[in-house]
Amino acid sequence: SYVLTQPPSVSVAPGQTARITCGGNNIGSKSVHWYQQKPGQAPVLVVYDDSDRPSGIPERFSGSNSGNTATLTISRVEAGDEADYYCQVWDSSSDHPDVVFGGGTKLTVL
Amino acid sequence: EVQLVESGGGLVQPGGSLRLSCAASGFTFSSYSMNWVRQAPGKGLEWVSYISSSSSTIYYADSVKGRFTISRDNAKNSLYLQMNSLRAEDTAVYYCARDGYCSGGSCLDVWGKGTTVTVSS
Repeated sequence: SYVLTQPPSVSVAPGQTARITCGGNNIGSKSVHWYQQKPGQAPVLVVYDDSDRPSGIPERFSGSNSGNTATLTISRVEAGDEADYYCQVWDSSSDHPDVVFGGGTKLTVL
Repeated sequence: EVQLVESGGGLVQPGGSLRLSCAASGFTFSSYSMNWVRQAPGKGLEWVSYISSSSSTIYYADSVKGRFTISRDNAKNSLYLQMNSLRAEDTAVYYCARDGYCSGGSCLDVWGKGTTVTVSS
């Protein structure tokens, strides 16, 4: 089955830019979605189809996807952005389609 | 307001059964595919199952295939997960999530708050 690899943690100072990567074999050929999950809360979709934002998500959140790496970029990081972030793809490459999540990255705002 | 509310979680012994429900409101439930996703304590997200809007297409994760059954009742705006032969490793918060029909396949654009399942003797 398809595997998505994320760094366990990323740290950034307030006001700086955080970049969270998601690695997968030829992930650039797939659409990647990103979720934010704060402690004790359900996940929230923050970026879909590589780089689109749902309504209500700040423009500070953006995404890109090419080759073997997708990236979620959070500009002008705020304390409220501290959360776990998960990438996700739909893997239809076999006769057993799957929703696949990365292992998650904990973003710490210093 | 678009909303999903899960119920039915609880403590169950290994080998036991449990049925989870998810009540949808604020959108046309019958037009959307739905998913169950779980999260074990301190762990990441794990997709469990998918059901299309008409129930014609159903998928399961290998970890639950043959033990869990997803279903829906569009007349009642409800999604279900029947869980049999439960194991300790099924202990998790279970979320129902709406499929947002993103261009590249399933993206989960609305989530419930989750219901907790604990499998323990």
